[in-house]
Parts: sequence; C-alpha cells; structure tokens
Amino acid sequence: GAVVSQHPSRVICKSGTSVKIECRSLDFQATTMFWYRQFPKQSLMLMATSNEGSKATYEQGVEKDKFLINHASLTLSTLTVTSAHPEDSSFYICSASGLGHGYTFGSGTRLTVV
Amino acid sequence: GDSVTQMEGPVTLSEEAFLTINCTYTATGYPSLFWYVQYPGEGLQLLLKATKADDKGSNKGFEATYRKETTSFHLEKGSVQVSDSAVYFCALSGEWNTGNQFYFGTGTSLTVIP
Repeated sequence: GAVVSQHPSRVICKSGTSVKIECRSLDFQATTMFWYRQFPKQSLMLMATSNEGSKATYEQGVEKDKFLINHASLTLSTLTVTSAHPEDSSFYICSASGLGHGYTFGSGTRLTVV
Repeated sequence: GDSVTQMEGPVTLSEEAFLTINCTYTATGYPSLFWYVQYPGEGLQLLLKATKADDKGSNKGFEATYRKETTSFHLEKGSVQVSDSAVYFCALSGEWNTGNQFYFGTGTSLTVIP
C-alpha cells in the first residue's frame, strides 16, 4: 500500500530556532499534501494544503510566515516552523494524496520547544 | 459546513467487553467516512472506511456501517483487548481523490483493562 514517511518523529528545539519537518511519499506521486496540527485533547486541525509546484493554501488563522510549506516535488513536502516558541509545541502530521491513491498519513512529528 | 461529532471519552472497558463509539456527521453530498486510530506514541493509522451509504467497513474486529438515514458511522467491536487501548478518530472527506480535506472528530480515548 501507499506509504508516507515523516521525519523526524520527535524533535526538541530551543526557543527562537527553526525546525524543518519532512513528509515523503515513498511509492506514489503525491500531487497534494496536507499539514495538520493536533493540540492536546483536541482533534487534528488542518493548517495548509499544498499542491506540487504551487504555493500552499493556508487555513484562516495560520501564519504563513511562521509555518513555511514547500512542496517542490511530487514526493516531498516540508514544513518549517520558524522562530519556534513554546506555544508551537504540538503534534504535526502530514497526509498525502495522489492519482489512484487516497489519503495516506505520515506517522507524525512531536515538536517540543523549550 | 461539514462536520463530525464524536462521542466524548475517555472510555474505560474491561477486556472482552463490547465497544461502541458513536459518530455522527453533517455534510453536503455523499462524503466518505473513516475511522482512524492513534496508538500511544504513534501517528494516525486508518482503521476502516466506507465510501457510500450502507457500506460496512471492517478491520481487526472493528466494524462501522455508513448510515445515511441517521448520518452516523458508529464504531463497534464485539470483544476488546488491552492492545486496543488508543485514541479513535472519526472523520469524513469529500469525494475520494479530489483533494478535499478531512474533517475530524475530537477523538475518543479508549482504555481496556485486563
């Protein structure tokens, strides 16, 4: 079946630094990738949708300059949390979709900003 | 707009007990419905899905039937095990493979005790 690899699975960073999270579709071409954030005890919230080669579409309330999304190829999308702060600590998860493939989720990234 | 309402947890059951987690939805058209499971420390995994009315999704002893007349997709298992302890998310999506986003419920935490 379709596999999406997300790395890192856990990361701890200092406040003010930037963190990059990668989401790769290993065996299919992901024309669309989604980035979600999960707050404690809450459901996943969609942050942005990216189509390969295009700028990401951000959901209302999501800061574009803080959460940089790049979807430069059909197999890779990255989310960079810039100038991270403790309130950015959360669980981030991507999902990928492509022709002939439904939504496949990555395994998620637990970000802790100290 | 589209939405999913899921039974609040946490739910605690003894091993071999019967499980039901209620899920109802609001959507235009004919969405696909999903149950995802998140085991401790892991990302989301697709548990089962149904793409049209009266479909029954099943996996690992879990079942859910897409009931359009009651707009429901309740998750059931006849005999739970300790290894079923996890958080369960109900979700819906628009047409398969069109890039429509997911709408998730808030998740239901299940703990199965020996």
